[in-house]
Amino acid sequence: QQQVKQSPQSLIVQKGGISIINCAYENTAFDYFPWYQQFPGKGPALLIAIRPDVSEKKEGRFTISFNKSAKQFSLHIMDSQPGDSATYFCAASMRDTGNQFYFGTGTSLTVIP
Amino acid sequence: DVKVTQSSRYLVKRTGEKVFLECVQDMDHENMFWYRQDPGLGLRLIYFSYDVKMKEKGDIPEGYSVSREKKERFSLILESASTNQTSMYLCASSFLDGYTFGSGTRLTVV
Repeated sequence: QQQVKQSPQSLIVQKGGISIINCAYENTAFDYFPWYQQFPGKGPALLIAIRPDVSEKKEGRFTISFNKSAKQFSLHIMDSQPGDSATYFCAASMRDTGNQFYFGTGTSLTVIP
Repeated sequence: DVKVTQSSRYLVKRTGEKVFLECVQDMDHENMFWYRQDPGLGLRLIYFSYDVKMKEKGDIPEGYSVSREKKERFSLILESASTNQTSMYLCASSFLDGYTFGSGTRLTVV
């Protein structure tokens, strides 16, 4: 079954707007939550990641919000730009599984000028 | 920067052929993974390996096998290609936190 559930499947945002992608998980043993960004024709690349000991992490226009009690985390892209148009994957892992990551199903983001 | 190189960007194979997808990483990583990516299904783990000559099944291993004779190289084998194996195949390697993915191989089975 899907260990990490991601929504929405696709998202269209105006330039300058905020893009929000949500993920939920069930396994409380997960202790690392990365987000990956994938452009067409490329493999996914690590964008930003968070551990459950903090509720928020910000890197430039990208912010992860983490709610441990709800077992949810989300990616916020502020001031969205056309260059942010890509597919975004959330993921979760736990150290004792040898670094295997469980991925969400992906969100295709389109930022229109 | 870690580099993960997949030998082919595009492949077209016939049904029933034996297909080899090659992946090489240059950072001495212990862990390597093979995923397939399909629209609406995300990334699904086929096989992974934590060490040379070691392999573990992922979520969808049927119809695939793998080989890891050297630490830097992890090969995915389609024993008898079928049209439902038409997909994007992604290799990744990892150490501690985070995967580094290759650029992918888009395989079409006709």
